[in-house]
Amino acid sequence: DAGITQSPRHKVTETGTPVTLRCHQTENHRYMYWYRQDPGHGLRLIHYSYGVKDTDKGEVSDGYSVSRSKTEDFLLTLESATSSQTSVYFCATRGSSGDNEQFFGPGTRLTVL
Amino acid sequence: AQKITQTQPGMFVQEKEAVTLDCTYDTSDQSYGLFWYKQPSSGEMIFLIYQGSYDEQNATEGRYSLNFQKARKSANLVISASQLGDSAMYFCAMREGNAGGTSYGKLTFGQGTILTVHP
Repeated sequence: DAGITQSPRHKVTETGTPVTLRCHQTENHRYMYWYRQDPGHGLRLIHYSYGVKDTDKGEVSDGYSVSRSKTEDFLLTLESATSSQTSVYFCATRGSSGDNEQFFGPGTRLTVL
Repeated sequence: AQKITQTQPGMFVQEKEAVTLDCTYDTSDQSYGLFWYKQPSSGEMIFLIYQGSYDEQNATEGRYSLNFQKARKSANLVISASQLGDSAMYFCAMREGNAGGTSYGKLTFGQGTILTVHP
């Protein structure tokens, strides 16, 4: 257990509204990731961070932005939510480049109506 | 681009029997890592086993073993002595290789296989 929490755990919102999901970790891990899980697609990488204020895009970054102002927090923002962003969002962390395992948070279920 | 393929949407196994979950991958990297994760119905992602591309021996973790066949680009998960608690979704994933000595650790996942263990 890498001490990863995600908030909120569940959210229902309407199309066009902004949404921010928070990932908080207590392990001082350098790397943090946001994935989305959809049926038939497994998990897909949205954005990742390799340090404070160091972020980059993943496979499915359109419509999402991220910020990491502190080691422990990685925020995912949907500027204007769309129904296609209805998904389960997982945050993950990894300690250092020499570490193999990624630890996953419990997930956030987001529904965009 | 990296790609992971899990061709078995669902698998069934009798309790106490062994089962193999298939995973094939495609990458141009020489150095990479292969993972298996378990996702029970409660939704959390549980790390099971890891295999590095340069590891000569197949990885094992308790009842889990990874049958790594590099030339065939396959990384099948073998679960021995299945238990009812093994019923879950299983994901195969690959980590990118090192770019200039730095691996950002980005994972590419397969579509998953739902395993059902019958008593």
